[in-house]
Amino acid sequence: KQEVTQIPAALSVPEGENLVLNCSFTDSAIYNLQWFRQDPGKGLTSLLLIQSSQREQTSGRLNASLDKSSGRSTLYIAASQPGDSATYLCAARSNTGKLIFGQGTTLQVKP
Amino acid sequence: DTEVTQTPKHLVMGMTNKKSLKCEQHMGHRAMYWYKQKAKKPPELMFVYSYEKLSINESVPSRFSPECPNSSLLNLHLHALQPEDSALYLCASSPGLAGGGAKNIQYFGAGTRLSVL
Repeated sequence: KQEVTQIPAALSVPEGENLVLNCSFTDSAIYNLQWFRQDPGKGLTSLLLIQSSQREQTSGRLNASLDKSSGRSTLYIAASQPGDSATYLCAARSNTGKLIFGQGTTLQVKP
Repeated sequence: DTEVTQTPKHLVMGMTNKKSLKCEQHMGHRAMYWYKQKAKKPPELMFVYSYEKLSINESVPSRFSPECPNSSLLNLHLHALQPEDSALYLCASSPGLAGGGAKNIQYFGAGTRLSVL
């Protein structure tokens, strides 16, 4: 059974810092891995999707990496801004379409 | 347009009521999903539809009844709910269940916040 873990559960940084969010999964037979952002009381916004055959994806200040052999993915946020404050969720997708989510990392970027 | 629209945004219902949640997308996606999210927890998958047929039911109680009347619409019918069913209900869609490479992203709606009294 796939289990997804995110560390840390919460993170507070000053504005401008570069930071890394971690995601690990127990079953390497994933179809892809998706990173989402969720603001309080809102739905999920897809940030990046990495196919199982890929090593990384980039979008603006965000970079996500994937290492299937070690069961790990990271989300790198460059030059963090207060508007980046949110909960970040990673989700591993099986080839049946099921997404298994981690517990999330709640990020606070202080001005 | 990558929008998934859910209505209503908020719903309060008694344990004897019957209500429905609605989800709509016009991206031509053929897979649609219902998730339940409790406060400070990740979303949990409830149902998956593929080409308007129920593909996955994650052992959800029968008081939740999904329906996919056409490829753009997904409903969740609610009956005799319990207070512990209060949660944010999220709908999502994707081009398909599998394949499609990097384009096969799940897009989520804003959710319906349900309170059962």
